[in-house]
Amino acid sequence: AQSVTQLGSHVSVSEGALVLLRCNYSSSVPPYLFWYVQYPNQGLQLLLKYTSAATLVKGINGFEAEFKKSETSFHLTKPSAHMSDAAEYFCAVSYSGAGSYQLTFGKGTKLSVIP
Amino acid sequence: KAGVTQTPRYLIKTRGQQVTLSCSPISGHRSVSWYQQTPGQGLQFLFEYFSETQRNKGNFPGRFSGRQFSNSRSEMNVSTLELGDSALYLCASSGGQGMTGELFFGEGSRLTVL
Repeated sequence: AQSVTQLGSHVSVSEGALVLLRCNYSSSVPPYLFWYVQYPNQGLQLLLKYTSAATLVKGINGFEAEFKKSETSFHLTKPSAHMSDAAEYFCAVSYSGAGSYQLTFGKGTKLSVIP
Repeated sequence: KAGVTQTPRYLIKTRGQQVTLSCSPISGHRSVSWYQQTPGQGLQFLFEYFSETQRNKGNFPGRFSGRQFSNSRSEMNVSTLELGDSALYLCASSGGQGMTGELFFGEGSRLTVL
């Protein structure tokens, strides 16, 4: 079964500092990978997705992620954190051939931004 | 374009009762999925419907059920509520682009079971 591991349930960064949220997946076949963000009392919003077109994926709000097959990783980065980035971030994976929409999510990483 | 709409947003029930949650997908989307979110278990897949047919189901007991109507609106039902069913229930719709497609989530229905 597919799985996603997000290292660090809580990450704190200073405003203006680099944001790095880690995600590793388990897979024997190429997956499709997603990062979602959830603000308090809201649903999930897609930040970016990897679908094998390019290993470096740019998303909304200045976020990007790099797919590294050799490391089975899909870490999320942003060069300079903003206060509005404080939220919970979820990495998710789906597999081709399942014939249906089913995402497997990581446990999430709560990002705090310190002024 | 209106987003995914879930009703009600908040509800409180007692053990043993049942609850029905509603989801209206984005216009034109034919796939609707349901997820349960809890602090302990995180986000877990419940089921997915496409053109009124359940295509996939997660590992939840039979107390959890759902359906989809011809207009793609979906409902999920939980019978004989237990304390552990307290959670945020998220509905997501998609446009049918296959496994690479994006899921659009609603704001959720927060269920509290007392």
